[in-house]
Amino acid sequence: KNQVEQSPQSLIILEGKNCTLQCNYTVSPFSNLRWYKQDTGRGPVSLTIMTFSENTKSNGRYTATLDADTKQSSLHITASQLSDSASYICVVSAFGEGNTPLVFGKGTRLSVIA
Amino acid sequence: DAGVTQSPTHLIKTRGQQVTLRCSPKSGHDTVSWYQQALGQGPQFIFQYYEEEERQRGNFPDRFSGHQFPNYSSELNVNALLLGDSALYLCASSLEGKQFFGPGTRLTVL
Repeated sequence: KNQVEQSPQSLIILEGKNCTLQCNYTVSPFSNLRWYKQDTGRGPVSLTIMTFSENTKSNGRYTATLDADTKQSSLHITASQLSDSASYICVVSAFGEGNTPLVFGKGTRLSVIA
Repeated sequence: DAGVTQSPTHLIKTRGQQVTLRCSPKSGHDTVSWYQQALGQGPQFIFQYYEEEERQRGNFPDRFSGHQFPNYSSELNVNALLLGDSALYLCASSLEGKQFFGPGTRLTVL
């Protein structure tokens, strides 16, 4: 069964600190992995998307890594800001994606406090 | 260029009623997917429309139905509402694998 597991479920950090969120998946055959940021009550917004051949991708203070062998990904946030408080969702798509539905994790709820 | 838009933003219904949610895709996008997101959970795939036909469907009962119009906009219909249908309903449009989400419609069933 295609699944995406994320950890931790929630996280509280001080403003300015770094943090790393984890994602493990069993989706096969793998096509790509995406990280989304979702503010409460809003639609998800894409941060990064990585294919099988990509190990890392950055978007400003966000850096995602992918290990396709172990089927793990991480999202590292540097110098966190209060506006980073949101849910971060890992999403995996199977090969032949085109418009194939995506498999979503439950997300990690990040709270950045002053 | 407008992104994905959804209407209404919020909706309150009672058990047994029917509801219709609407989605306008990003310009040029021909595929629309609908997701249900319960509080504290990740989105769950409901179904996907392409060329006015349902192309794929998730594990949702027949009470959930949809439609796609020639202009690629889409509707999600839910009949015989249950309390458990309360959720954020997300629409996503895509073209060549790039998917963009709308802001969602918050449905509350009382």
